[in-house]
Amino acid sequence: QKEVEQDPGPLSVPEGAIVSLNCTYSNSAFQYFMWYRQYSRKGPELLMYTYSSGNKEDGRFTAQVDKSSKYISLFIRDSQPSDSATYLCAMSGVGGFKTIFGAGTRLFVKA
Amino acid sequence: EAGVTQFPSHSVIEKGQTVTLRCDPISGHDNLYWYRRVMGKEIKFLLHFVKESKQDESGMPNNRFLAERTGGTYSTLKVQPAELEDSGVYFCASSLTGQAEQYFGPGTRLTVT
Repeated sequence: QKEVEQDPGPLSVPEGAIVSLNCTYSNSAFQYFMWYRQYSRKGPELLMYTYSSGNKEDGRFTAQVDKSSKYISLFIRDSQPSDSATYLCAMSGVGGFKTIFGAGTRLFVKA
Repeated sequence: EAGVTQFPSHSVIEKGQTVTLRCDPISGHDNLYWYRRVMGKEIKFLLHFVKESKQDESGMPNNRFLAERTGGTYSTLKVQPAELEDSGVYFCASSLTGQAEQYFGPGTRLTVT
């Protein structure tokens, strides 16, 4: 079993839709939860960062962490064609910050 | 402020040859990480430097891989000799002391033929 499970998609939505992306994990030691966005042939770009459980909002993006269920989510409101990319969930524990990544979900937002 | 830079962007070498990848972290970031993504797989951790010291090298696949960070600034990752299964994209990331958020470079695409 992988430490982090993420549906690779692809996920296709119309412009303006609310997008929900999620990951589950098995290691209860994870404390830091990140979402990265990666465009084709580029490096991962840090989008959202959350420590422990709770919600965090930044513009059209909301990250949620439920440690009791070992489940994290990223919501994108009013999705735009420019949001089309691969979204990677990532997490790490305390100490060295070795980061474990999900497989990434490929998102297409159609105009 | 300049981000993480990596060189070269793409390298094609033959099996058995040696390749050296370079990473320049964001200025002031003591933490430097190497990751790798092979075809169809997740991004996997290779190792973590704090300044010039190796903090965690549990992800290094075998002794054909050698990472260095002399002086605690840029880092190199040498593969010698390269094998076909080493093909993939090698990412470098850096972070400030005590910060979990890591900032990634654009990656080096390594193709071993």
